[in-house]
Amino acid sequence: NAGVTQTPKFQVLKTGQSMTLQCAQDMNHEYMSWYRQDPGMGLRLIHYSVGAGITDQGEVPNGYNVSRSTTEDFPLRLLSAAPSQTSVYFCASSYASGERYEQYFGPGTRLTVT
Amino acid sequence: RKEVEQDPGPFNVPEGATVAFNCTYSNSASQSFFWYRQDCRKEPKLLMSVYSSGNEDGRFTAQLNRASQYISLLIRDSKLSDSATYLCVVNTNRDDKIIFGKGTRLHILP
Repeated sequence: NAGVTQTPKFQVLKTGQSMTLQCAQDMNHEYMSWYRQDPGMGLRLIHYSVGAGITDQGEVPNGYNVSRSTTEDFPLRLLSAAPSQTSVYFCASSYASGERYEQYFGPGTRLTVT
Repeated sequence: RKEVEQDPGPFNVPEGATVAFNCTYSNSASQSFFWYRQDCRKEPKLLMSVYSSGNEDGRFTAQLNRASQYISLLIRDSKLSDSATYLCVVNTNRDDKIIFGKGTRLHILP
């Protein structure tokens, strides 16, 4: 049981390049989400998904696309990287039942756009 | 008013002391509340959920005050290993959007 895995751990991009951040979970959670964390800004929700085939925008979706073709995978695509997208990106999956709630984060991807 | 607000700290506390953080939230319809812990350059990890009746887990106690719209975290007999950033998290259960506070930094001093 690996939990939530993210690849790559580190990435440097040039402005205008595109790339996909991978996220996978093996806990059969329906809900997955992507956050970015910047100094002084806390964690901000980019996109989320409540199940395979369903995605929706979070607080800061511009410049990012997501898809959810399977329960396990939730990749985040940067269409044309900009220096403002330099950040740490966390993927999370969660489970809720009644009052019980659990959310697990991946180890993060540290992205620098030059 | 921000959706979730926390004192950023840092709180510098001697080992063995008791420390408490508060977190205020603006949406009175919020349903679920949590405290997360984040170590430097690591991912956030769930510390504890905050239930209406309050809950305790070892040295940690969480309380919810719906009337004043805040949650609290109390750490007793603090250890050096408690040094971290503590994130307050609120879920309105509306579209499952979860709002994170910016975190409170805690430094436990030997």
